[in-house]
Amino acid sequence: KNEVEQSPQNLTAQEGEFITINCSYSVGISALHWLQQHPGGGIVSLFMLSSGKKKHGRLIATINIQEKHSSLHITASHPRDSAVYICAASSGGKLIFGTGTRLQVFP
Amino acid sequence: DAGVTQSPTHLIKTRGQQVTLRCSPISGHKSVSWYQQVLGQGPQFIFQYYEKEERGRGNFPDRFSARQFPNYSSELNVNALLLGDSALYLCASSFRQGATTYEQYFGPGTRLTVT
Repeated sequence: KNEVEQSPQNLTAQEGEFITINCSYSVGISALHWLQQHPGGGIVSLFMLSSGKKKHGRLIATINIQEKHSSLHITASHPRDSAVYICAASSGGKLIFGTGTRLQVFP
Repeated sequence: DAGVTQSPTHLIKTRGQQVTLRCSPISGHKSVSWYQQVLGQGPQFIFQYYEKEERGRGNFPDRFSARQFPNYSSELNVNALLLGDSALYLCASSFRQGATTYEQYFGPGTRLTVT
């Protein structure tokens, strides 16, 4: 079993839909990162959180430390949100990555 | 300010050869981490360097080595290349050690193909 697991692996949505991507981890963490990776490989950091909730524009990230679970929400999804979303746990001085969720948003 | 830069962008090598990948962190960042991302998988941690010293190593064979220079740039070396080393190699910089509790800034990656 992977130390960081994401679901779903693939997600398709119509423009405007509310999107939720889930991340569960089994290790002790000091922080949880949400990252976005576009085709071609570039990775952009979306959030880093250790408790509660953060919001940037249409993106919201939450974390429940007791349940070892985090979610990334996208409100009013848009085709430009199409990308791979990766959660990564900061543990033992290194990042442990999930395998990613491939999101496609259609017009 | 320039972001994290990596060179080269793409590289094709033959089995058994050696390769050197380069990373320049964001100005002022002293921590550099290297990751390997095989197609269809999440990145895997290879090394972390801070203040020119190795501060962490992932589960990779000794064919993989790295170093950090006084200007905080870094090189990743892979010897005796195998087909399985084909991957996207990502570099990330951060301001401090214990870097993963600070925001990570990723470079565009170097795509290595081993034939």
